[in-house]
Amino acid sequence: DGGITQSPKYLFRKEGQNVTLSCEQNLNHDAMYWYRQDPGQGLRLIYYSQIVNDFQKGDIAEGYSVSREKKESFPLTVTSAQKNPTAFYLCATTWGQNNSPLHFGNGTRLTVT
Amino acid sequence: AQKVTQAQTEISVVEKEDVTLDCVYETRDTTYYLFWYKQPPSGELVFLIRRNSFDEQNEISGRYSWNFQKSTSSFNFTITASQVVDSAVYFCALSVPPGLYSGAGSYQLTFGKGTKLSVIP
Repeated sequence: DGGITQSPKYLFRKEGQNVTLSCEQNLNHDAMYWYRQDPGQGLRLIYYSQIVNDFQKGDIAEGYSVSREKKESFPLTVTSAQKNPTAFYLCATTWGQNNSPLHFGNGTRLTVT
Repeated sequence: AQKVTQAQTEISVVEKEDVTLDCVYETRDTTYYLFWYKQPPSGELVFLIRRNSFDEQNEISGRYSWNFQKSTSSFNFTITASQVVDSAVYFCALSVPPGLYSGAGSYQLTFGKGTKLSVIP
C-alpha cells in the first residue's frame, strides 16, 4: 500500500540529547514537509524539501535539522538547541503543485524531560 | 502574509444535529487555494476538500458541504446530521503560489488553529 510511514509513534528523550524522527514515503511524491503541532496552535512548518539534496527552512526551523539524500526519506533531527521540543510532529508529502493536497503520516509524539 | 482564523476552538453537538465550522482567511494574492483537513484521535490529517479562488461554487459531498464566499473571505464547513465518527479536530488551510524564484514545490500551507468537534451520542 502506498503511504507515509513515521516512526516511532511515541518517542521519549532526556533533555540535551539529539533525536531523529523518521519519515518514509512510497508515493513517489517530490515534495516533503515537516510540521510541528502544539495544543491549540495548529500546524507550523519546520522544514520542507522540493527535491533530493535540497531543502528550505520553514517558519520555525531553529533547533531542527533535516536531510534529503533519497526521494523516499526526509528525516528530522531535533537538536538540543530546540528550547521546547515536546510536541507532535507530522510529516507530509505532495506532488509539489499548488493545488495538490498534502498527504500526512500518522505523526510522532516526542516527549523530552 | 497569509492568515487563517478558526474562531471556534471547541464545539459540542448532539448526534444528528447539523454543525457549521467557520473559517476566515486573509491574503493579498488573487490566486490561492483553500483546504479542509480532518484530524481524528489517531493523529493523521485526512484531506477533505480543495477549492481554488476562482471557483466559488458550493460543494456537497454526502453529509459534508462547503460554502466559499470571497466577499467575506470565508470558507465554512457544514456537517449535516452529525455522527459520533465525525468527532475530530478540523483544520482550514490556505496556500498561495510560490514566489517568482521559488520552485513549485515550495508552496506552503498556512493552517488555522483548528476546531475540535465533539459529537455526543
